[in-house]
Amino acid sequence: DAGVIQSPRHEVTEMGQEVTLRCKPISGHNSLFWYRQTMMRGLELLIYFNNNVPIDDSGMPEDRFSAKMPNASFSTLKIQPSEPRDSAVYFCASSLASTGTDTQYFGPGTRLTVL
Amino acid sequence: QKEVEQNSGPLSVPEGAIASLNCTYSDRGSQSFFWYRQYSGKSPELIMFIYSNGDKEDGRFTAQLNKASQYVSLLIRDSQPSDSATYLCAVRRGTVNTNAGKSTFGDGTTLTVKP
Repeated sequence: DAGVIQSPRHEVTEMGQEVTLRCKPISGHNSLFWYRQTMMRGLELLIYFNNNVPIDDSGMPEDRFSAKMPNASFSTLKIQPSEPRDSAVYFCASSLASTGTDTQYFGPGTRLTVL
Repeated sequence: QKEVEQNSGPLSVPEGAIASLNCTYSDRGSQSFFWYRQYSGKSPELIMFIYSNGDKEDGRFTAQLNKASQYVSLLIRDSQPSDSATYLCAVRRGTVNTNAGKSTFGDGTTLTVKP
């Protein structure tokens, strides 16, 4: 199993630019989570999907952030326009809810730097 | 008050000792509790979960849960230098049989095991 795949692994962009982060969950998993991790705020849940439907987006910081999951094997997190305070490591995680253990498998993360 | 609180550390123990990591949570409706390990520059990985009051053992790891005190801990016996990492406590309202739900993470405790 390839695990959760995220791309790009590193992204450096300038303030005001659009950034799109991509995630491919583990095949067969039906829940997908987007997290952001910074030294100041720790690991924060931004949004999660269940069966491709957004369930809780209360962690999305503001309208500049949007997430989509057009199918079970792909999700995007978009920031437009980006700001320096968006610099963080963004993790995607997936799980299979029916197992009852709710083990979330995290991807390697995307390190975003906004200059 | 944060929903999930952990001592940030760093916690330093000698090799072979028992490391004790603590976590308290504020939501009395929490049902599921998880311990993740995160090596520097890597993504979190689940090492244990617990749902019922009491102890749960898995190899050198023991998770302890006390819902009345809203307290969960992780004991690592015979600590090894390879255990040096940040340990994240996560709490979820959902039970074993519900769909995957929002997990709230603590900021983590950094553990250093000295040879």
